[in-house]
Amino acid sequence: GAGVSQSPSNKVTEKGKDVELRCDPISGHTALYWYRQSLGQGLEFLIYFQGNSAPDKSGLPSDRFSAERTGGSVSTLTIQRTQQEDSAVYLCASSSLTSGRTQYFGPGTRLLVL
Amino acid sequence: RKEVEQDPGPFNVPEGATVAFNCTYSNSASQSFFWYRQDCRKEPKLLMSVYSSGNEDGRFTAQLNRASQYISLLIRDSKLSDSATYLCVADAGNNRKLIWGLGTSLAVNP
Repeated sequence: GAGVSQSPSNKVTEKGKDVELRCDPISGHTALYWYRQSLGQGLEFLIYFQGNSAPDKSGLPSDRFSAERTGGSVSTLTIQRTQQEDSAVYLCASSSLTSGRTQYFGPGTRLLVL
Repeated sequence: RKEVEQDPGPFNVPEGATVAFNCTYSNSASQSFFWYRQDCRKEPKLLMSVYSSGNEDGRFTAQLNRASQYISLLIRDSKLSDSATYLCVADAGNNRKLIWGLGTSLAVNP
């Protein structure tokens, strides 16, 4: 079956512009996660959605970052007024109750803020 | 102290060598543990889950020591294609998030 997909695969933007990153999880997966990974660094947790529960936003680095998940499926991560330090790979993962906590990742969106 | 700690390496080993990675976790309530593999400029992919009794998948063996709160990964007869970063993962103990180590870099040389 189809895996997690993300779009765009690459995004170059100018400092101060807003960007939207999209994630399509595996069909039927109730949990969705956003991570950020800077070059040569580990995964940085951003936000977690589980079913209809309130999302865990504890990892969002500032109020410029927000995410939503519509209809329990597709998610959009929005970064407002981008800064150069926002440049990173943004990874989305999904999991299901039947897969335990195993997370399956999309290929990521490489964001470059000039 | 980081919640999940790994030796960053790099580990440089010749083909055919056996290499072992250890990882420690700080949350005694963690229940689920995993090893993921991440190739350069790629997303992480599940290598194997780690069970209390230990588990083996081909050349890979994972073990969990709850008393000492560490997880290990053993790779036997290493191949060039094993070169990657290996990520140790533990759940946050609250049935929600996973906590990721920074990874151990492995280079298998011909």
